[in-house]
Amino acid sequence: QKEVEQNSGPLSVPEGAIASLNCTYSDRGSQSFFWYRQYSGKSPELIMFIYSNGDKEDGRFTAQLNKASQYVSLLIRDSQPSDSATYLCASYSNTGNQFYFGTGTSLTVIP
Amino acid sequence: DVKVTQSSRYLVKRTGEKVFLECVQDMDHENMFWYRQDPGLGLRLIYFSYDVKMKEKGDIPEGYSVSREKKERFSLILESASTNQTSMYLCASSTLTVTRDSTDTQYFGPGTRLTVL
Repeated sequence: QKEVEQNSGPLSVPEGAIASLNCTYSDRGSQSFFWYRQYSGKSPELIMFIYSNGDKEDGRFTAQLNKASQYVSLLIRDSQPSDSATYLCASYSNTGNQFYFGTGTSLTVIP
Repeated sequence: DVKVTQSSRYLVKRTGEKVFLECVQDMDHENMFWYRQDPGLGLRLIYFSYDVKMKEKGDIPEGYSVSREKKERFSLILESASTNQTSMYLCASSTLTVTRDSTDTQYFGPGTRLTVL
């Protein structure tokens, strides 16, 4: 079983809609969770991080963490074509001092 | 501004050649990582290092070695390149332990797309 699981998609949403990306993790000791955006041919760039249960908002992005269900999500409001990319979910645990990445969800925002 | 640089963006090598991929970070990070990324397989950890001259195997170390002689530099070596090592190679760095500080995360270099013919 992979440490972090994501639905690979592809996920398509119309411009202006809400895109919802989901991720589950297996290690209950994981403390920190990250969402990276990766454009085709480019390296991942961090867009959100979350440590505490609940929601965290940053502009059009909201990260949600539910430690009881071992579930992390990313909501993108008012989706734009420029949001079209692969989104990687990652977890970090101090015990292993490693980052664990999901395989990514491909998002396409249709104009 | 944080910076991780990699020596080449694109590299073409022949089977059997020895290949060196260099990574340099200017953030004084203790941890450095080498991943490869392939379609459908995501990021797979090859090796990481938490200090100078220290290294730990990741998930797929076979066919690779690493060197960390200085804190800011982490090299990935393909001793004898093979076609199944054609991939995107990503270097990353982070602080030793990730805390609740927003700067404590993993930063990636631009990647090296290696083709082995």
